[in-house]
Amino acid sequence: KAGVTQTPRYLIKTRGQQVTLSCSPISGHRSVSWYQQTPGQGLQFLFEYFSETQRNKGNFPGRFSGRQFSNSRSEMNVSTLELGDSALYLCASSLGSGASNEKLFFGSGTQLSVL
Amino acid sequence: AQTVTQSQPEMSVQEAETVTLSCTYDTSESDYYLFWYKQPPSRQMILVIRQEAYKQQNATENRFSVNFQKAAKSFSLKISDSQLGDAAMYFCASRHSGTYKYIFGTGTRLKVLA
Repeated sequence: KAGVTQTPRYLIKTRGQQVTLSCSPISGHRSVSWYQQTPGQGLQFLFEYFSETQRNKGNFPGRFSGRQFSNSRSEMNVSTLELGDSALYLCASSLGSGASNEKLFFGSGTQLSVL
Repeated sequence: AQTVTQSQPEMSVQEAETVTLSCTYDTSESDYYLFWYKQPPSRQMILVIRQEAYKQQNATENRFSVNFQKAAKSFSLKISDSQLGDAAMYFCASRHSGTYKYIFGTGTRLKVLA
């Protein structure tokens, strides 16, 4: 069974540009979550999608947005990039049932550098 | 507010020895889950162990075990017989029952010395 796939693996952008990151979940998983990882801050929750609907949202500005398609693949968009947006962006998928034995499966992330 | 705190940015352990990573959390909920994730250089987070708050028995997975102190809101990870492959960042996390948002700590980098 293929794991969670994130593309691209690395990305370099300049301030003011926008970027789109992609995440393909494990087959059969309907929930996709996005996290921002920075040194010293750990992982910060961005948002979670289930069956094309955003169910949860973290405390990030509106420049961060996402969507999920009918095949459960998800994209995350960041507009008007700032230097502070440089981070590893991790995507995770799960069945999305919220059950006690629910497990998150992570991708290898997209390392975004904003110059 | 739901918070997770890891006060040890970095730890070292000799191969074959035992090490304990600390984690404290805060929540007003009674039903929640706690996790330890490992992030090796490949960057892919891997679930190490999980604990349901309603279970008094500490979870164990082979060489990994937790010391769950609910009243103290403490959730430490013990790694026995440490191996070179255990070297990684370890993150403690929590999730409230019925939600899909995980709260992570800032991580502890574990070095294993040969």
